[in-house]
Amino acid sequence: DIVMTQSPDSLAVSLGERATINCKSSQSVLSSADNKNYLAWYQHKPGQPPKFLFSWASTRESGVPDRFSGSGSGTDFTLTISSLQAEDVATYFCHQYYSAPLTFGGGTKVEIK
Amino acid sequence: QVQLQESGPGLVKPSETLSLTCTVSGDSTSSFYWNWIRQVPGEGLEWIGHIHYSGSTNYSPSLKSRVAISADTSKHQFSLRLASMTAADTAVYYCARGAGYMIESWGPGTLVTVSS
Repeated sequence: DIVMTQSPDSLAVSLGERATINCKSSQSVLSSADNKNYLAWYQHKPGQPPKFLFSWASTRESGVPDRFSGSGSGTDFTLTISSLQAEDVATYFCHQYYSAPLTFGGGTKVEIK
Repeated sequence: QVQLQESGPGLVKPSETLSLTCTVSGDSTSSFYWNWIRQVPGEGLEWIGHIHYSGSTNYSPSLKSRVAISADTSKHQFSLRLASMTAADTAVYYCARGAGYMIESWGPGTLVTVSS
């Protein structure tokens, strides 16, 4: 199984400041066949289904504000919120879809400082 | 836009079998993978398994002996059966659609509590 490790578990950021979330996979999720990273990011608010933010590590889904960005390759990935807004308070988690069993990071809870 | 909705009992007794159904609307059930995922309170997400529209299934090794996922494309539904439930199976259960293995749409989730 590919183990996904996120850090930190939680972080508190002032409004307008940058939030950075890391995700590390126990083995590479970069496919040599298509040179794509099989890594997704989601935003999860209580009582709601997770919202799909990024596919292929850095492809922003339609409607996701551009203050969100995804980066990284191979085993190390980052989700960045460039200027935290109140509505961004949520838990964020990564997901590898390179191979089954599909696995998820433990989540990073983002709060306002 | 696809919508998914889980349905089933919120309370299951120990040793019983959980049966959940996911109803899909706004899209067909073809050409995708249909997943079940759960989250134990206070823990991370755990993938249970999925079924492809062709009927092939794939399960988490840790749950494989107790899980069965099936689909009824005529009703736009797919289902989860999880046998021999214990308190450790208390969780929010989500159904989700996958484009390939990439999970892209989720249902709102349903809390299942295992208790006598």
